[in-house]
Amino acid sequence: KAGVTQTPRYLIKTRGQQVTLSCSPISGHRSVSWYQQTPGQGLQFLFEYFSETQRNKGNFPGRFSGRQFSNSRSEMNVSTLELGDSALYLCASSSSTGQNFATEAFFGQGTRLTVV
Amino acid sequence: SQKIEQNSEALNIQEGKTATLTCNYTNYSPAYLQWYRQDPGRGPVFLLLIRENEKEKRKERLKVTFDTTLKQSLFHITASQPADSATYLCALDPPEASGSARQLTFGSGTQLTVLP
Repeated sequence: KAGVTQTPRYLIKTRGQQVTLSCSPISGHRSVSWYQQTPGQGLQFLFEYFSETQRNKGNFPGRFSGRQFSNSRSEMNVSTLELGDSALYLCASSSSTGQNFATEAFFGQGTRLTVV
Repeated sequence: SQKIEQNSEALNIQEGKTATLTCNYTNYSPAYLQWYRQDPGRGPVFLLLIRENEKEKRKERLKVTFDTTLKQSLFHITASQPADSATYLCALDPPEASGSARQLTFGSGTQLTVLP
């Protein structure tokens, strides 16, 4: 069973540009979450999608957005990039359906974004 | 808001000893708590999940305890090996109800180094 795939693995962008990151979840997983990881702030939740609907959003500015497609693949977009957006962006999928049970999250390798 | 703290940023132990990592949380009573391992440049990997009604859970050389009175989880690695060297993260996963989102609140992590 293939794991969570994130593309690209590395990205260098200039301030003011925008970027789109892609995530393919594990087959059958309908929940996809995005996280930002930086040395100073650690892992922080960005947003979560389930069946093409954003169910929750973390405390990030509106420049951060995302979407999910009918095949559960997800993209996140960051517009008007700032130097502080440099981070490892991680995608996680889970088999959670929203019912009251706990399952683990399966993370991808991440996309290392550097803003110069 | 939820706050989750991992007491040690770094922990060095000798091979063969038991490593004990601590995770404390405030302002919340989670239904379950998870532990992940993260190697440099890679996404976190799920290790164990423990529910609020479980005092202890084991998986091979790993053991997790969950004390809801102290609001604390302890993570133990027995007979530690250099290959266990990594950053270990604890995470809270809010209980889900129909339509609610799946997200994880992570601690800042403890970097464990097992010395040969």
